[in-house]
Amino acid sequence: DGGITQSPKYLFRKEGQNVTLSCEQNLNHDAMYWYRQDPGQGLRLIYYSQIVNDFQKGDIAEGYSVSREKKESFPLTVTSAQKNPTAFYLCASSIAEGYEQYFGPGTRLTVT
Amino acid sequence: GQQLNQSPQSMFIQEGEDVSMNCTSSSIFNTWLWYKQDPGEGPVLLIALYKAGELTSNGRLTAQFGITRKDSFLNISASIPSDVGIYFCAGVDNYGQNFVFGPGTRLSVLP
Repeated sequence: DGGITQSPKYLFRKEGQNVTLSCEQNLNHDAMYWYRQDPGQGLRLIYYSQIVNDFQKGDIAEGYSVSREKKESFPLTVTSAQKNPTAFYLCASSIAEGYEQYFGPGTRLTVT
Repeated sequence: GQQLNQSPQSMFIQEGEDVSMNCTSSSIFNTWLWYKQDPGEGPVLLIALYKAGELTSNGRLTAQFGITRKDSFLNISASIPSDVGIYFCAGVDNYGQNFVFGPGTRLSVLP
């Protein structure tokens, strides 16, 4: 079964701790993306990667970091520098940049 | 930067009614996409449109790529309770690089 998996579904952390959100895809897609969604809001792009070992900042990259060491995996680290990290985080992938994106089920992060 | 506007922002309809929503921009797009997001889940791709004037259906859903390439429309016929959710439009720009999401239309279906 091809798809995108994100784990865990719910994540709780204390303020000041870094946390890494997992995103894996077995669709053989080159491009991967991270979005943030706040309650009642749309999607805001955090980072994206068109190819392994390369990634670019999106609209709200401050306080986040990513890596793309493997085609299948694009983990997102929410650092302690992110002022308001509590949100719903969505990972997506596409065959290449500019093609339709397919989304994972999301991870809801709560920082207290 | 490029922006997409969706209207209405939210709508409440009776079960069985038809629904229309649209997505507009001041820029030209080469591809229009419609997604549905259920509460607490990731968006699911419903329909993709690649050519100006194209009309595509997926069950009770029908979407159109506007002739000006600056808008797209989504219609849902005979709504049912599971149609509840947020409908996002997305566009890929003329250069085939920028992928832009609209703010969403929140649909509620009353029994």
